Amino acid sequence: SAVISQKPSRDICQRGTSLTIQCQVDSQVTMMFWYRQQPGQSLTLIATANQGSEATYESGFVIDKFPISRPNLTFSTLTVSNMSPEDSSIYLCSVGRGGTPDTQYFGPGTRLTVL
Amino acid sequence: EDKVVQSPLSLVVHEGDTVTLNCSYEVTNFRSLLWYKQEKKAPTFLFMLTSSGIEKKSGRLSSILDKKELFSILNITATQTGDSAIYLCAVGGAQKLVFGQGTRLTINP
Repeated sequence: SAVISQKPSRDICQRGTSLTIQCQVDSQVTMMFWYRQQPGQSLTLIATANQGSEATYESGFVIDKFPISRPNLTFSTLTVSNMSPEDSSIYLCSVGRGGTPDTQYFGPGTRLTVL
Repeated sequence: EDKVVQSPLSLVVHEGDTVTLNCSYEVTNFRSLLWYKQEKKAPTFLFMLTSSGIEKKSGRLSSILDKKELFSILNITATQTGDSAIYLCAVGGAQKLVFGQGTRLTINP
């Protein structure tokens, strides 16, 4: 399995500000994903981060709110823009191995609280 | 719309008991079903199942898939307090994973 790190591990932010979360993998991977887990809820896919092209967003998530960068095969960032208390969640990056999105390994997560 | 439903949502048992967690799904272009354990923030991978009727086993944990009836079970025998966690079922279809709500398992000493 891949070794995945995320920064920051947690943050408390003010309404209206933005936070960028970094995800670093110890080896090159084709597929990287960003998820959100709201309190008491399961994981919801925000987008697939594509290297060298725009991310592919799921229904209900837009690039203006969650811009994603993927400059190379080991790194990605997710920005949560113009935050509101409803954005308080755990944000997780994951990587797919073996050429399919199925066997995904998750980073340690970022716990975001918006006041 | 793709859907994954887990039951029960919450389960409390005593150490040493055996538990069975359920996962049913409706997913187009099914490829695989996965089980994860989530203790704090990051889900950790347990099993991936692609074929019906073949049990996957790891220590006290085992899982099996029924592709005809569209469900899977995760069994944990001789439970320990360290098994307390949220267990997530996810199904791979159409280039992404769809997650169920999870089962919160609590093992009391």
